[in-house]
Formats: sequence, C-alpha cells, structure tokens
Amino acid sequence: AQTVTQSQPEMSVQEAETVTLSCTYDTSESDYYLFWYKQPPSRQMILVIRQEAYKQQNATENRFSVNFQKAAKSFSLKISDSQLGDAAMYFCAYRSEDFGNEKLTFGTGTRLTIIP
Amino acid sequence: ETGVTQTPRHLVMGMTNKKSLKCEQHLGHNAMYWYKQSAKKPLELMFVYNFKEQTENNSVPSRFSPECPNSSHLFLHLHTLQPEDSALYLCASSQWDSDTDTQYFGPGTRLTVL
Repeated sequence: AQTVTQSQPEMSVQEAETVTLSCTYDTSESDYYLFWYKQPPSRQMILVIRQEAYKQQNATENRFSVNFQKAAKSFSLKISDSQLGDAAMYFCAYRSEDFGNEKLTFGTGTRLTIIP
Repeated sequence: ETGVTQTPRHLVMGMTNKKSLKCEQHLGHNAMYWYKQSAKKPLELMFVYNFKEQTENNSVPSRFSPECPNSSHLFLHLHTLQPEDSALYLCASSQWDSDTDTQYFGPGTRLTVL
C-alpha cells in the first residue's frame, strides 16, 4: 500500500518570501500521479499543482512549483513571493496510474502561516 | 452553481437521527467520491462511484449508506451514528479514465454527532 508523509505539521513564512513544503511517499509502482492540494479556512480543497511521475520536468503553476525527485520519492512544493491568501493547510496526495484505481492517498498536511 | 457543491454545510444530529448529505457536481464528470476528514488524520476515502456504479467501499460501517442516482449527484445517508463519526465530509468528482483524472472537491459538510 502507498503511504504519503508530510513531516512538517506547521510552517510559517514572511510575506513575499519563499517557502518549501516537504512530502515523501512510498510506492512500488513506477507510474503514478502526485498532487498538492490547498485547504484554506473556508475548507474547500483546491488543487494547486499536479505531477505525472513519467515526466522528468517539474510542474509549475505561477508562483507554485515542485521539486520532484522520483528516485528519492520526494515531492516538495515551493511557494514563491508568498501572499496572505496562501495561508492554508497543504496536503500532498498520491494516486496510482492503474486503471480503475482512483484512490487518492493523502498526507496529514502542513499548516502554512503567512506573517505580514 | 459551478464546480462541486455540498449541502448542508453544517449538520448537528443525535445518535438516533437519520439524515442525508448531498453532493452535486457541475463539471460533467463521471466519477464521484466521499471522503472523511478528521482532526490530525489524513483524509480517508469512503466510497467511489464510477459511471454510477460503486467501485470501492473502503471498509466503511453500514451506518453510512451511499447513493448515486446519476453521475451528477451523490448522497450519503446517515443513521444511528456515533460521536466519533463527527468530522468534515468531503465530496469530490473526476473524469475517470481520462489523462487528466484530477479530483475536484466540494466545500464539505461539517458533521457533529451528539
């Protein structure tokens, strides 16, 4: 079974600075997807970024980018130019590429605080 | 309405009550999911429906009963719940069997069982 570990329960960053959230996972599969979701106080889980394991290029979405290290099974999220609206719980998630196996396995989350 | 909506947003019920949670997706997806989010724990997948057929029941107690009448609507019927069932219940949808099978979530229902 796959597991996802987020070792930082809480992180804080000064507004406009850069912060990196860590995520590691365990799997025996070679093809899979990785996600970062953001859950602000409104509770709506919002997709931040998605990475296919077969792609070597790291995914980027505006101020959000990932450092995907497949051999190390590491998938960290970098937030540049942090903004107050980035304050939220961030969840790393794994999904198998196996047809019919749509289950998302989540980590326990990292609470990110933005300091004005 | 856009995206994934859930009603009610908050629900308080006694252990002997029967209630239902509703989820509706406006994204044209064909798969829907129920998740349970408890404090200090990872999100737990409860049920998966693909093309209205239940494909996964993740060892969920029978006091939770899902219903998927069509690909846009998903219900979670609740009866004789326990206080430990208090949690945030999240619904999600996706386009199963596509290259972009990303799950999109609703805002959740905060359930409190007294």
